[in-house]
Amino acid sequence: EAGVTQSPTHLIKTRGQQATLRCSPISGHTSVYWYQQALGLGLQFLLWYDEGEERNRGNFPPRFSGRQFPNYSSELNVNALELEDSALYLCASSPGTLTDTQYFGPGTRLTVL
Amino acid sequence: AQTVTQSQPEMSVQEAETVTLSCTYDTSESNYYLFWYKQPPSRQMILVIRQEAYKQQNATENRFSVNFQKAAKSFSLKISDSQLGDTAMYFCACTEGAGNMLTFGGGTRLMVKP
Repeated sequence: EAGVTQSPTHLIKTRGQQATLRCSPISGHTSVYWYQQALGLGLQFLLWYDEGEERNRGNFPPRFSGRQFPNYSSELNVNALELEDSALYLCASSPGTLTDTQYFGPGTRLTVL
Repeated sequence: AQTVTQSQPEMSVQEAETVTLSCTYDTSESNYYLFWYKQPPSRQMILVIRQEAYKQQNATENRFSVNFQKAAKSFSLKISDSQLGDTAMYFCACTEGAGNMLTFGGGTRLMVKP
């Protein structure tokens, strides 16, 4: 069974640009979660999508947004990039909202210059 | 707000020995799940073990076991017969809300020495 995949592995942008990160969940999983792992701030919940809808978001500004496609893959968009957005962005999937275990992808390292 | 605290930023253990990583949490949820994840230098977060809060029995998974003390809100991880491949960052996490979003601790960096 293929795991959660994320692309790209690395992404380098300059301040003010937009970044798009992609995630494909494990086959059969309908829920996708995004987390930010920034140096010194630890792992923080960003967004949760289920069945194509945004269900919850963490304490992040609106320039962090995303969507979930009919095939349950997901995209995270970060607009107006700031230096402090540099982090590892982890995607996780789970079979549904009633299940508890999330399985993580390898992450996308975003560097903002 | 829900919090998860790992009080040991770094630990080391000799190969084949046993080590215990500490975790405490604070939640207002009545039904929640607890996890230990491992993040080796490759960055991939790997599930180590999970515990359902409504179960009193401590979870075990091969060389990994937990000591779950619900009243004390404590959830420690014991690694027996440590192996070099256990070298990694270990994160304790607790679910929150209807979507089971995870709140993570700050992590413990474990080094297994030959």
